[in-house]
Amino acid sequence: AQTVTQSQPEMSVQEAETVTLSCTYDTSESDYYLFWYKQPPSRQMILVIRQEAYKQQNATENRFSVNFQKAAKSFSLKISDSQLGDAAMYFCAYRRFTQGGSEKLVFGKGTKLTVNP
Amino acid sequence: KAGVTQTPRYLIKTRGQQVTLSCSPISGHRSVSWYQQTPGQGLQFLFEYFSETQRNKGNFPGRFSGRQFSNSRSEMNVSTLELGDSALYLCASSTDTQYFGPGTRLTVL
Repeated sequence: AQTVTQSQPEMSVQEAETVTLSCTYDTSESDYYLFWYKQPPSRQMILVIRQEAYKQQNATENRFSVNFQKAAKSFSLKISDSQLGDAAMYFCAYRRFTQGGSEKLVFGKGTKLTVNP
Repeated sequence: KAGVTQTPRYLIKTRGQQVTLSCSPISGHRSVSWYQQTPGQGLQFLFEYFSETQRNKGNFPGRFSGRQFSNSRSEMNVSTLELGDSALYLCASSTDTQYFGPGTRLTVL
């Protein structure tokens, strides 16, 4: 069974600084997707970024970027120029690739990010 | 496009009752997944429906059930509620990336 581990239950960062959240996963599959979701106090789960395992290039979305190390099964999220609105729980998630269909997401336990003004 | 909607947003029930939660996916999305989120267990997959058929099921007792209608709207039902069913229930609709609704907060007293 696939597992996702987020080893940092809590992190804090100063506004405008950079922070990196860690995620490791375990799978025997070669094709899969990895995601970072953000859950602010409103509890709405928001997609931050997505990475396809077959792509060597790391995904980026504005201030958010990932460091995807397939051999090490590591998928960290870097947030640059942190803003107060980035404060939230961040979840790393894995999904097995299936042709033409959706598979369940396997989530880590989450990292609570605090942004200090 | 409108996002995923879930109703109701909050619900209070007592033990032994049953409850039905509703999810309307993003237009054009045929897959709907349900997750339970609790402080102790985190996010756990309940089931997934695609074109009115249950395609995946998580490790939950038979008290948890669901269905999907021809317009892709989905409902989940929990019968004989237990205190441990208190949770945030999240619905996600997808093509290949899952987009979540705001959740239904269920409290069982």
